Amino acid sequence: EAAVTQSPRSKVAVTGGKVTLSCHQTNNHDYMYWYRQDTGHGLRLIHYSYVADSTEKGDIPDGYKASRPSQENFSLILELASLSQTAVYFCASSAGYEQYFGPGTRLTVL
Amino acid sequence: GEQVEQLPSSLIVQEGASVLINCSYTDSASVYFPWYKQEPGKRLQFIIDIRSNMERKQNQRLTLLFDKKTKHLSLHITATQPGDSAIYFCSARPVGGSNAKLTFGKGTKLSVKS
Repeated sequence: EAAVTQSPRSKVAVTGGKVTLSCHQTNNHDYMYWYRQDTGHGLRLIHYSYVADSTEKGDIPDGYKASRPSQENFSLILELASLSQTAVYFCASSAGYEQYFGPGTRLTVL
Repeated sequence: GEQVEQLPSSLIVQEGASVLINCSYTDSASVYFPWYKQEPGKRLQFIIDIRSNMERKQNQRLTLLFDKKTKHLSLHITATQPGDSAIYFCSARPVGGSNAKLTFGKGTKLSVKS
């Protein structure tokens, strides 16, 4: 079964601080994705990548950066965390059509 | 860009009942439609999918219907069980390549009472 892990699983950050969320997959998948989930909004795509050292903007990239240093690792970076970025963040990987999701990171910005 | 709408946003049923979740999309370039289930506090899990060259797909108690002309999908769940309680997400994506991204609906929260 596909294995996507995320760290940390939960985090409390202060407004204006820097936050890095990490994702690691052991599936040898080319594609990786970062989503945020908010009540009433479903999942929204922030950034994605289809090859190492390259990232693409998703539907809501403002306030977020992404980094894909290797095929296995994909990070989401909040340079200046804001209250509105409180959410659950999911990472996913895929080789083609089906996406495999990580367990999520609950981020609270105070 | 693509927009995916789901109805209803929530429903409550008695164990054993059947449910229907509707989904519509806007972009005719979408060709693949996976559905995911998210149990409380858990990750999303793939449950069923359909491609635009199909009209119907069944997986045990799940039946997915697709109407390309109206850009509409329906997920039918029969003989519901308390374990079916979850949020169900419809999603859509175009053909692969650099644009291989899913657009999700807002989800349908299903509660099955025993």
